[in-house]
Amino acid sequence: VQLLESGGGLVQPGGSLRLSCAASGFTFSSYAMSWVRQAPGKGLEWVSAIVGGGGTTHYAASVKGRFTISRDNSKYTLYLQMDSLRAEDTALYSCARQSTWSSGWTDSWGQGTLVTVSS
Amino acid sequence: DIQMTQSPSTLSASVGDRVVITCRASQSIRSWLAWYQQKPGKAPKVLIYKASSLESGVPSRFSGSGSGTEFTLTISSLQPDDFATYYCQQYDDLWTFGQGTKVEIK
Repeated sequence: VQLLESGGGLVQPGGSLRLSCAASGFTFSSYAMSWVRQAPGKGLEWVSAIVGGGGTTHYAASVKGRFTISRDNSKYTLYLQMDSLRAEDTALYSCARQSTWSSGWTDSWGQGTLVTVSS
Repeated sequence: DIQMTQSPSTLSASVGDRVVITCRASQSIRSWLAWYQQKPGKAPKVLIYKASSLESGVPSRFSGSGSGTEFTLTISSLQPDDFATYYCQQYDDLWTFGQGTKVEIK
């Protein structure tokens, strides 16, 4: 299993960013996928998840209405569209595979892409 | 939303010690709990899933127990490679992590 994130960077408050996660080594459409973030020196926070077929999405209260998760199973790629970014969204964002098509524990992680929200 | 509370936040221990970390859920999560180990600059690694199932390749000194709202991760004899931060995660209703427990060298 390999998960490779990209798209992070420096963005001003109120700005937007789109993260991508390229997956390989497994049948991508068979697993739910998540984004998890970790602010510098802080703990893990689940952000968003999408089931294997892409028809159901879930969001943490802290990002609901601002972030949109999606996936392209033909390209083995997971996305996170982040709008109306705030300073408190600054974190390392990691792509993660859940253990089942719809839920389960997190059994694989990427190394992450850093998002910094600052003026 | 389900809240997860770990204790202690920091634990100082010596090689060979038995270490116990506790995780409490704000409501019953049945046995839908996992434990992770994270070292600085690295991605987390799953140790235990479904409260007590040992992930393949994880040393048998790690064990998990509990159900409902109270769970524990036990390291039977702490090894030098075990100094890290440990997180619990519920996956009964979406996903929530505990705040982490840092295991330090005494």
